[in-house]
Amino acid sequence: QITLKESGPTLVKPTQTLTLTCTFSGFSLSTSGMGVAWIRQPPGKALEWLALIYWDDDKRYSPSLKSRLTITKDTSKNQVVLTMTNMDPVDTATYFCAHRDVTTIDTTYYGPWGQGALVTVSS
Amino acid sequence: QPVLTQPPSASASLGASVTLTCTLSSGYSHYKVDWYQQRPGKGPRFVMRVGTGGIVGSKGDGISDRFSVLGSGLSRNLSIKNIQEEDESDYHCGADHGSGSNFVSVFGGGTKLTVL
Repeated sequence: QITLKESGPTLVKPTQTLTLTCTFSGFSLSTSGMGVAWIRQPPGKALEWLALIYWDDDKRYSPSLKSRLTITKDTSKNQVVLTMTNMDPVDTATYFCAHRDVTTIDTTYYGPWGQGALVTVSS
Repeated sequence: QPVLTQPPSASASLGASVTLTCTLSSGYSHYKVDWYQQRPGKGPRFVMRVGTGGIVGSKGDGISDRFSVLGSGLSRNLSIKNIQEEDESDYHCGADHGSGSNFVSVFGGGTKLTVL
């Protein structure tokens, strides 16, 4: 059974850097075809895809946020870390991590997802 | 990249049926779309993928047979029959676009389904 859980600060100040950790179990990011994505959801708004990292350390970023995002993995700890610089109140959102399996073309959906971590940006 | 359009809300009575729509922007009629269910206070869960031929691959774990999809033209719709209280959720559609360094995933605005 695959599970994921997000952790990190609940409150950050404007201009600070946010660091979120996704700790997962049930799969290994050293296994071919495995990936973990970060997706956020501002209160009452739509999902927004942020970043994705694969077993081979290939990384993908949202073009609109690419300059502020860094995604890394620690295979030994079963963790994926997302950093977002220069936080602003508009970045207030619930941040989710999700598993992605690209082993076959029909399994490339996001799932399962973590429960999410609410991050508020305020001074 | 495609834009996915969803109505913000829908409602249906207990035991009735409802169709949730997800419309791709022009030029993307060959795209497949993933549907996700998000219950209040929870993370989304994968429901199923839909292309122009209907379901692609398998349903997500634990998804009821009451859920089905239909794809035609630019529409990628999710239908639920015999609606239950547990179906009251936000429903999101999403799609992948591009490859390599140009890859992105996009989502629609989501539809809040209320069970009356």
